[in-house]
Formats: sequence, C-alpha cells, structure tokens
Amino acid sequence: AQKVTQAQTEISVVEKEDVTLDCVYETRDTTYYLFWYKQPPSGELVFLIRRNSFDEQNEISGRYSWNFQKSTSSFNFTITASQVVDSAVYFCALSGWSGGSYIPTFGRGTSLIVHP
Amino acid sequence: GAGVSQSPRYKVAKRGQDVALRCDPISGHVSLFWYQQALGQGPEFLTYFQNEAQLDKSGLPSDRFFAERPEGSVSTLKIQRTQQEDSAVYLCASSWDRSNNEQFFGPGTRLTVL
Repeated sequence: AQKVTQAQTEISVVEKEDVTLDCVYETRDTTYYLFWYKQPPSGELVFLIRRNSFDEQNEISGRYSWNFQKSTSSFNFTITASQVVDSAVYFCALSGWSGGSYIPTFGRGTSLIVHP
Repeated sequence: GAGVSQSPRYKVAKRGQDVALRCDPISGHVSLFWYQQALGQGPEFLTYFQNEAQLDKSGLPSDRFFAERPEGSVSTLKIQRTQQEDSAVYLCASSWDRSNNEQFFGPGTRLTVL
C-alpha cells in the first residue's frame, strides 16, 4: 500500500514571501515516481514535476524548487518570492507498481493563498 | 493543440438515474486514467486504460461503475443507479506513454446527485 501525506491543509502568505509545501510518502516499492501538480481555481490540474526514486538531485525551475530526500521519505516544494498567481491547491502524488501498472496516489492537497 | 476534454462539464442527476461521462484524451496518448475528486480532497484513482485495455479497475467503488475505451481513444465512465455519495468531480487524465509519466488532466465533470 502506498500513502501520501500533505499535513498542511492551508497556507496563507503575503506576496514575495518564500513558502514550502511539505509532502511525506510511504511505499514498499524500490522504484516509484513522485509528482507535484497545481490545481488553480479553474479546476484543471497542471503538471509541475516528476521525479523517479533513483534521482535524488534537487531541482530548480525559476521560482520553484523541489527537495527530494529518500532518507526521510519527503518530497518538498518551495516557491520563492511568491506571487498572487501562485494561489492554488497543490497536490503531491506517488506512483507505485500495482498489478502491472504504475498507479498514482494523491495527497489531500495544500491550499496556498498568496495575499497582495 | 487540444488538451484533454470532458463532457458534460456539469451533470445533475436524480438518485437512481444512470449517467455517462465522456473523456477525449490528447490524440495519440496511450494511457488514460479516471479519478474521483470529492470536495477538499485529492483525486482518487478509479481505473486505468492502456490503449483499449483496461489494466486496472481496482479503484471503482462498486459494480455500479463501469468504464470503457473501445477504440483506444475516447473513454466513457458510466455510473448506474446513481447515489448521493457519487456526487463529486470526475477527472480524466491521459499520458503519452506508460502509466508512470506525467499526466494531462481534463477540466472534470461535476456530478451532483439529488
């Protein structure tokens, strides 16, 4: 069984603050994939990043960065200098092998509100 | 280019009615997923297709739920004898290759069962 925990239900920040969204996962698989998706108010989930379990290199993409640590089973997401347009619900997901396919499990999401 | 489309966007059904939800994936995408998203929750996996083959349906909550993708492109999720607890947003997603790749999501169908 696999599980994804996003303990932060809602985070409220003021524009230009840095913010970190936590994601902790559980799996017995040695090969698995981690994802972050953004769900803006319009409702459509948008892919942000995919990481496989053998690649622990941190990644930076503009104001976004991700910290993957297998030792603590965490895959945290940091937004630097947040902007109002970053307001959305962010989901962390884990895809593990199940009966012949990789089946994703999503966390409950963290709602980020960025105030001007 | 066209993304994943779903229809209808909103559906209101009376308890006991059957409903059919349609998903048009991105052309050429091999994998297709259906999810159920309750208010304030993350998407919950329902079923997965690779081309026309339904490889996993372990997430379907009951035998009232049925999905098909007969020609490996458009997919339909059917719910028979709808119940109030079926009220949710139903999301469809596709990916170009295997099930471990990034997924492209549609806007969802919001189903309300009265």
